Amino acid sequence: GENVEQHPSTLSVQEGDSAVIKCTYSDSASNYFPWYKQELGKGPQLIIDIRSNVGEKKDQRIAVTLNKTAKHFSLHITETQPEDSAVYFCAARNRNDYKLSFGAGTTVTVRA
Amino acid sequence: GAGVSQTPSNKVTEKGKYVELRCDPISGHTALYWYRQSLGQGPEFLIYFQGTGAADDSGLPNDRFFAVRPEGSVSTLKIQRTERGDSAVYLCASSFGGGAHNEQFFGPGTRLTVL
Repeated sequence: GENVEQHPSTLSVQEGDSAVIKCTYSDSASNYFPWYKQELGKGPQLIIDIRSNVGEKKDQRIAVTLNKTAKHFSLHITETQPEDSAVYFCAARNRNDYKLSFGAGTTVTVRA
Repeated sequence: GAGVSQTPSNKVTEKGKYVELRCDPISGHTALYWYRQSLGQGPEFLIYFQGTGAADDSGLPNDRFFAVRPEGSVSTLKIQRTERGDSAVYLCASSFGGGAHNEQFFGPGTRLTVL
C-alpha cells in the first residue's frame, strides 16, 4: 500500500515569513495529492490539491509543487499570518483507488 | 450549504460497551468514507461506501467494527465491545462521486474515549 512521509513534524515561523512542508510517497501509481489544514477540534479542510499532470499549482499565498520522478511534493505558504497556525496534512491517492493515505502532519505556529 | 455533520461530537464510554457514531454527508454526495485519527497522527482509512454498499471495508481493524448506510445517505459506524485502544477521533468524509478525481470533504469528527 501507499506510504506517505511528512516533514517536519513541527514548524515555527515569524509572521510574514514563508513556510515549507515536504512529503514523499511510495506508490508510483498515485496521481492525486491534496493538502488539508486542521484546526483544533475541527475536521481536516482541503486547502489545495495537485494532480500528476501538472508540476505546480498556486492559489494566492499557497502553492504546491510535485516531482513525480522523485515521488515528492511540497506545500509553500508565503507571507504567513497568525491564522495560518494549524496542523497541515499531505495525502496521496492511487489513480485506481478512492481512499486517501495521509502523512503524520506538521504543526505550524506563526509567531506574531 | 451545509457540510458534513457528525454526532455526537464527543462520546465517553466504558470498556466493553457498544457505541454508534453517526455521519450526515453533504446532500447529493454518493460516496462516504470513515477514517480514524489517533492523537498526533494523520487520518487512517476505515471503510468506503458508494451508495448503500460498502465498496471497501479493508481498513476496519477487526470484526468489532461495522458500518452501514441503508439509504445511501446517513451512515452509522458501530463498535462492539469497545477497548481502550479504540479511543480516537472518528472522521467522516463525503464526495460527489467515488472516482479518483473527487475531492473529499470532512466532518468535524467524533472524539471517542474508552475508559
